[in-house]
Amino acid sequence: DADVTQTPRNRITKTGKRIMLECSQTKGHDRMYWYRQDPGLGLRLIYYSFDVKDINKGEISDGYSVSRQAQAKFSLSLESAIPNQTALYFCATSDPTGNPYEQYFGPGTRLTVT
Amino acid sequence: GDSVTQMEGPVTLSEEAFLTINCTYTATGYPSLFWYVQYPGEGLQLLLKATKADDKGSNKGFEATYRKETTSFHLEKGSVQVSDSAVYFCALDSSYKLIFGSGTRLLVRP
Repeated sequence: DADVTQTPRNRITKTGKRIMLECSQTKGHDRMYWYRQDPGLGLRLIYYSFDVKDINKGEISDGYSVSRQAQAKFSLSLESAIPNQTALYFCATSDPTGNPYEQYFGPGTRLTVT
Repeated sequence: GDSVTQMEGPVTLSEEAFLTINCTYTATGYPSLFWYVQYPGEGLQLLLKATKADDKGSNKGFEATYRKETTSFHLEKGSVQVSDSAVYFCALDSSYKLIFGSGTRLLVRP
């Protein structure tokens, strides 16, 4: 079984709808991250969490919110989806005791907002 | 702020050709450097890493050397295979977060 799983893998939604993307991990890592990937722009950090009580904004947090329900679960929400949020979304984890903080990625969620 | 710049793709090569993908960075201090690979339809996987100047990371025939003088971390492979076709991302560690380059798509033809 995969160490980092994301659901759904694909989603099509309409403008204005609320949507939640979920991430679960079995690696036992404290740190979790949400990125979006757009063609030609690489990956950009949306939010990150270093433990259950710690949530931090990343480079592009506007229009997004997150919830860290447990060490193993980190959800990303779009409160009112808009077409320019169409992208590939990745969850990742890392172990702060590792060196040098390499990250482990889920398979991604492809989101289309029409 | 910290940033990573890598060569634009796509890079198209014939099987057994030599590969170089350029990566340069801007950062305060000496961050750890990474190359990640993304195969079609999959998430990113760590390919190799280097933690300090002059370190050479290597894996699966790929190599990259941390060059402090030129702030570079170029990816090389002596003989590419069709199975190496993927998108390659250079990244640096910035205060426990990764800063990625824009990615370089590699296509290897038989």
